[in-house]
Amino acid sequence: GENVEQHPSTLSVQEGDSAVIKCTYSDSASNYFPWYKQELGKRPQLIIDIRSNVGEKKDQRIAVTLNKTAKHFSLHITETQPEDSAVYFCAASRGWGKLQFGAGTQVVVTP
Amino acid sequence: DADVTQTPRNRITKTGKRIMLECSQTKGHDRMYWYRQDPGLGLRLIYYSFDVKDINKGEISDGYSVSRQAQAKFSLSLESAIPNQTALYFCATSDSGLFYKETQYFGPGTRLLVL
Repeated sequence: GENVEQHPSTLSVQEGDSAVIKCTYSDSASNYFPWYKQELGKRPQLIIDIRSNVGEKKDQRIAVTLNKTAKHFSLHITETQPEDSAVYFCAASRGWGKLQFGAGTQVVVTP
Repeated sequence: DADVTQTPRNRITKTGKRIMLECSQTKGHDRMYWYRQDPGLGLRLIYYSFDVKDINKGEISDGYSVSRQAQAKFSLSLESAIPNQTALYFCATSDSGLFYKETQYFGPGTRLLVL
């Protein structure tokens, strides 16, 4: 089955700096890669996703890149703000609904 | 997202007890999932159901069972709870309709403590 590894497990950044979270996956048939954000005490929510026919996708301050050859994808957050502090999960799917999640990255943005 | 609800929100039980966690949704989605979240382990899939007559095991189904009573309801049972089932449990839903999107919508979670 699919295995998703996520690094780092914790990330501390200064407000205004950029944050990068990286994930690798094992199943070459995976074609859908979402990112979920979980604020403290809240439920995970989708923030951005990418499909295997696209190399990069942006939405305001967040972007995701995908390297199918190397089987890794990354989340980039620019100009970080305190409200970006949360746990971020990457996931991979073959495109039929079942997601395999990474272990999560705790991001702390310090003012 | 108020469209996916879970009851109870918190539960303390003792080893060996049977408990049921319930999930309801008003989103009209046909796909439902149960996950458990443990620190450092992410979200691990316990069971999933793509329609009322479809039930599938996830990666950690041992010790758990589920029931899909209706399209909108998906229950998770722990037949005989043990302490290492202490975790945060999430229900999630997704759609498979004409404008299929794989986005999963999570409930607020149930925090379970097994003593």
